[in-house]
Amino acid sequence: EVQLVESGGGLVQPGGSLKLSCAASGFAFSGFAIHWVRQASGKGLEWVGRIRSKANGYTTAFPASVKGRFAISRDDSKNTAYLQMNSLKTEDTALYYCTRLFGGDAFDIWGQGTMVSVSS
Amino acid sequence: QSVVTQPPSASGTPGQRVTISCSGSNSNIGSNTVNWYRQFPGTAPKLLIYSSNQRPSGVPDRFSGSKSGTSASLAISGLQSEDEADYYCSAWDDTLRGPVFGGGTKLTVL
Repeated sequence: EVQLVESGGGLVQPGGSLKLSCAASGFAFSGFAIHWVRQASGKGLEWVGRIRSKANGYTTAFPASVKGRFAISRDDSKNTAYLQMNSLKTEDTALYYCTRLFGGDAFDIWGQGTMVSVSS
Repeated sequence: QSVVTQPPSASGTPGQRVTISCSGSNSNIGSNTVNWYRQFPGTAPKLLIYSSNQRPSGVPDRFSGSKSGTSASLAISGLQSEDEADYYCSAWDDTLRGPVFGGGTKLTVL
């Protein structure tokens, strides 16, 4: 079965750090870009960042809201991508999804999400 | 506040045809294709339409998408109670260099 499974969420204090994992199975993980998308409770979807495949240089990109605080990496030997979140703010509280980029710009496979709560 | 705008709600009766609109700008919808996602409460989004008007395998042909200029729309015909969900449009944004999502439309089947 083609799937993505996130883990690593939890409660962290403002200014703290957390590292999320996204484990893939059922497809050739190394050939796909992986993106992270978050959703605050009762709110819409917000793109958090992406990492491209090895063929595209493992390049990463982030929106202004997390740039400089978040980093994305991947270990193709483990079929896993990671989202390192530093200097966390209360507004980073959300359910974090990893998702696979399909074709040019569509996300066809989503994980179930992992919850991150930033609170003192 | 999303750079891509959707109506917060829409509704219809069983069997009816409903449309959900999505308005953007030249940097996103105007220059890239549009994707639509459906999300049921407590679950992850699911791809419904890609490349503005293509359906992934398994998505019924009751769902269709279109795009014109900086706007797009999702049409659902033969509305069913199980279509009640949140619907999000999305497009690549050349300024952001990443995807932008609409704020979502909650569809209610009356």
